[in-house]
Amino acid sequence: GAVVSQHPSWVICKSGTSVKIECRSLDFQATTMFWYRQFPKQSLMLMATSNEGSKATYEQGVEKDKFLINHASLTLSTLTVTSAHPEDSSFYICSAPQGARSPLHFGNGTRLTVT
Amino acid sequence: SQQGEEDPQALSIQEGENATMNCSYKTSINNLQWYRQNSGRGLVHLILIRSNEREKHSGRLRVTLDTSKKSSSLLITASRAADTASYFCATGPLNTDKLIFGTGTRLQVFP
Repeated sequence: GAVVSQHPSWVICKSGTSVKIECRSLDFQATTMFWYRQFPKQSLMLMATSNEGSKATYEQGVEKDKFLINHASLTLSTLTVTSAHPEDSSFYICSAPQGARSPLHFGNGTRLTVT
Repeated sequence: SQQGEEDPQALSIQEGENATMNCSYKTSINNLQWYRQNSGRGLVHLILIRSNEREKHSGRLRVTLDTSKKSSSLLITASRAADTASYFCATGPLNTDKLIFGTGTRLQVFP
């Protein structure tokens, strides 16, 4: 089945530093990937839609300069949390559909802790 | 917010019992999907029901969809301890590929 790999699975960083999270589709091409954020015991909140070869589409209230998304190839999207602060600590999950209107395949998530 | 709501928020049952979770959403949809999430992990797709379908089965799962009421239910029959997880409904708004997730139901199945 389709696999999405996300790396790293966890990261601890100091306030003010930047962190890059990678999301790869291993056995299919993904022109679109979705980045979600999840706080403990809460649902997933869509942050942005990553589009291969073009700019990402951000959801309302998500700072595009804070959460930089790059989708440089059909199998890789990256999310960079810039100048991270403790309130950015969260679980970040990427996902990709294998085709239009098809179910999403999720990475295993990245737990970010900013100290 | 477009986010749907699920109830109950939490559900505790014994092995062998059935578990029913309900989901309500706000906008017209292409389809509605149910996902499962084990603690601290990514989500796994369970079942997709299209807007022109009313009921769908997959193993011990049964999903219903009522587009007039903008609601869906997920029934897990003969539950097992391994079914313990959070369950989310997700809707695909018209003309988009993105999914909006509901608030989730945390299911605990006791052996």
